[in-house]
Amino acid sequence: DIVMTQSPVSLPVTPGEPASISCRSSQSLLHSNGFNFLNWYLQKPGQSPQLLIYMGSKRASGVPDRFSGGGSGTDFTLRISRVEADDVGVYYCMQATQTPRTFGQGTKVDVK
Amino acid sequence: EVQLVESGGDFVQPGRSLRLSCSTSGFTFGDYAMSWFRQAPGKGLEWLTIIRSKVYSGTIDYAASVRGRFTVSRDDSAGIAYLQMNSLKSEDTAIYYCTRDIVQVGRNWGPDYWGQGTLVTVSS
Repeated sequence: DIVMTQSPVSLPVTPGEPASISCRSSQSLLHSNGFNFLNWYLQKPGQSPQLLIYMGSKRASGVPDRFSGGGSGTDFTLRISRVEADDVGVYYCMQATQTPRTFGQGTKVDVK
Repeated sequence: EVQLVESGGDFVQPGRSLRLSCSTSGFTFGDYAMSWFRQAPGKGLEWLTIIRSKVYSGTIDYAASVRGRFTVSRDDSAGIAYLQMNSLKSEDTAIYYCTRDIVQVGRNWGPDYWGQGTLVTVSS
């Protein structure tokens, strides 16, 4: 199974400031088309997960351009250029290159 | 608008069975792979199974934790995915989510849409 490792586990943020979350996979997630089988999800309190970034760097429909995904192969980063209060929740990276699909342990983002 | 609505969650005793349903609308169901995930109380997300579109092989995979006990199926004419859960254990207690997969260049790239989830509690 592919092991996904996220850091940090907890991330206190200040509104208006940038934030970033790292995700590392134990195997390469790179597809031959240049995109990666790596998605980012946000689970707000009491809600289902919602897709933020797919294929490593593509923003999902309706996701603000404050969110961006980068990296390739085994190292990935989710960046929030200016955190807003509504961004709190748990962020997960997930690999979709093979089954079982596996997640990072999650990064809990809350406002300082 | 894409919608996924799970149902069938309940309180059951260990060893019993339960069938979850995922009713969908807003897209051509038969063109997409569907997956089930779960989230135990206070825990992270766990992938359980995927049933691919018949257009792309229709194959099925399971997580080791549920293989042999859970069975996924789909009714393309009705736009519904099912998860039959047998021999339930206390550790199966979780919110169960169904999802639709992103399909691009003939590959599945993970879920884009998630249902609201349905709670399964297994306890004596």
